[in-house]
Amino acid sequence: ILNVEQSPQSLHVQEGDSTNFTCSFPSSNFYALHWYRWETAKSPEALFVMTLNGDEKKKGRISATLNTKEGYSYLYIKGSQPEDSATYLCAFIRALYSGGGADGLTFGKGTHLIIQP
Amino acid sequence: GAGVSQSPRYKVAKRGQDVALRCDPISGHVSLFWYQQALGQGPEFLTYFQNEAQLDKSGLPSDRFFAERPEGSVSTLKIQRTQQEDSAVYLCASSLPMGYEQYFGPGTRLTVT
Repeated sequence: ILNVEQSPQSLHVQEGDSTNFTCSFPSSNFYALHWYRWETAKSPEALFVMTLNGDEKKKGRISATLNTKEGYSYLYIKGSQPEDSATYLCAFIRALYSGGGADGLTFGKGTHLIIQP
Repeated sequence: GAGVSQSPRYKVAKRGQDVALRCDPISGHVSLFWYQQALGQGPEFLTYFQNEAQLDKSGLPSDRFFAERPEGSVSTLKIQRTQQEDSAVYLCASSLPMGYEQYFGPGTRLTVT
């Protein structure tokens, strides 16, 4: 069983403040890490696909970093807005040595972010 | 273009009934995944197809769960003799080859009474 942990479980942030949260995953057999945003009553939406140690990706006010050697990724939101309220999920994909390829995604339980006006 | 669609969106089944959940992936996506999301949890992997081949079914919780994708496009997840613990949201996702970002459908919320 792969252990993918996200912290904190939930987070209340004032509008305009910046915030960040963590995803930790196994540091061996790394293939990729995904971040998704899941708003209530909608489908999870991909934010980032990260594959290389040291990767930094940015989309608007949201950015993410990746450290595959120590097994963690941070997601940052700058200047939080009410529309950022959602559950943020990270998902780890493990490399398979036999025959190449990779496993299915193992999700963390998510960080539930609430932006307070 | 159309995204991933799932049907039905909601299903109420009596304990012991069989159910079939459908997923229409994005056209051209070779990979298709099924996940089960229980209340308060992240999605948990059930099974994965590459085209019509089911490459990994290690997440299916019991032999009452069966998935197929006979022509490499639409997929059906079947649950036989449903139990209360099967109540969950079942999410389908598709992607280009494994590792690329996944596009999720809206899910089917199954309630077993």
